Amino acid sequence: DAKTTQPPSMDCAEGRAANLPCNHSTISGNEYVYWYRQIHSQGPQYIIHGLKNNETNEMASLIITEDRKSSTLILPHATLRDTAVYYCIVRVARRTGGYQKVTFGTGTKLQVIP
Amino acid sequence: SAVISQKPSRDICQRGTSLTIQCQVDSQVTMMFWYRQQPGQSLTLIATANQGSEATYESGFVIDKFPISRPNLTFSTLTVSNMSPEDSSIYLCSVEGQVAMYFGPGTRLTVL
Repeated sequence: DAKTTQPPSMDCAEGRAANLPCNHSTISGNEYVYWYRQIHSQGPQYIIHGLKNNETNEMASLIITEDRKSSTLILPHATLRDTAVYYCIVRVARRTGGYQKVTFGTGTKLQVIP
Repeated sequence: SAVISQKPSRDICQRGTSLTIQCQVDSQVTMMFWYRQQPGQSLTLIATANQGSEATYESGFVIDKFPISRPNLTFSTLTVSNMSPEDSSIYLCSVEGQVAMYFGPGTRLTVL
């Protein structure tokens, strides 16, 4: 798995957009960018993933740069419940008959402030 | 997405004892993964469990300390043996779904 780099912590005002950056300069052509979050002491929760196009779902948006060396997770209207550690991971998508280990970095601790 | 449950959710154990953690998935999966998260740290992969074969352990983890069973395609157990306070962690199981990896709620273990 390619290594990712994230800021250790960020603050965001409640109701504002939270923009969480991730650098993955050694990403391979077949590797996707995945985002997870871990709310205090719970299991990590899948948020979103993408290859090269921007993606949006009910939880967040994912913006991937054209060279794919970095990405940004956007929580459009942060709430107090979004306070968590956010992990950016790069890996190949699921392959039939095989698997790929997921390696977690240290993530970004997002604190949403009232 | 897969629904994963773990038992127990938490436990407090004495040094030198062993604890078996159960992981149940609501669908059949080929691979199940066990992670450890020490206090204030990120997740570290312990081993990968494939049904019908021995688990594959990551560097720094051995079968005698963390024996794993995988009796069928929906269930796995991880045993933490001869525990010491350094084993106090959250232990998580995970599976690979169609879209992404999914994680159980974790088992919080405290060793006194």
